Amino acid sequence: NAGVTQTPKFRVLKTGQSMTLLCAQDMNHEYMYWYRQDPGMGLRLIHYSVGEGTTAKGEVPDGYNVSRLKKQNFLLGLESAAPSQTSVYFCASSFGTALSSYNEQFFGPGTRLTVL
Amino acid sequence: QKEVEQDPGPLSVPEGAIVSLNCTYSNSAFQYFMWYRQYSRKGPELLMYTYSSGNKEDGRFTAQVDKSSKYISLFIRDSQPSDSATYLCAMGLPSGGGADGLTFGKGTHLIIQP
Repeated sequence: NAGVTQTPKFRVLKTGQSMTLLCAQDMNHEYMYWYRQDPGMGLRLIHYSVGEGTTAKGEVPDGYNVSRLKKQNFLLGLESAAPSQTSVYFCASSFGTALSSYNEQFFGPGTRLTVL
Repeated sequence: QKEVEQDPGPLSVPEGAIVSLNCTYSNSAFQYFMWYRQYSRKGPELLMYTYSSGNKEDGRFTAQVDKSSKYISLFIRDSQPSDSATYLCAMGLPSGGGADGLTFGKGTHLIIQP
């Protein structure tokens, strides 16, 4: 049981390049989330998904797109990377409030992205 | 508007001391209160979970929630150097209250000096 895994662990991009971050979970969780974590800003929700085929915007969605084609995977895309997107990106998953009385989120190890 | 306040620290204490970490919040609808621990260059991991008001103890860790004051605390007894990490408070709405789930504090950086 690997929990939540993220690929890649590190990446350096040039401004304007695109990339996709992959998140996978093997806990059969319904809900999945993408956060970014910046110094002094804490964890900020980018997008989330309440099930396969669904996505929704979080607090800071601009410049990002997501897809949830399979229940176990949640992809985060950067179409045209900007230096402001330099951050540590965390994926998380949870059972979902329909199946659990509270929404404990399990986090992946993070992806460190630098945009030059 | 969701808002959680947490002192970023750093908080530096000697080994063996009792540590007190705190968060305040403004949204009275929060029902679930959690503490996550995050080691450097790792993802957050759930440490303690409390529903509504009251205390919860787990080994050296005690979580307290005072909903009337909108204030939550985490106490660490007999602190160890391995407790050095960033501690994030997180709060959640009642079941079905929203899939976006948790609102996080910015984290307190704790250093336990050997």
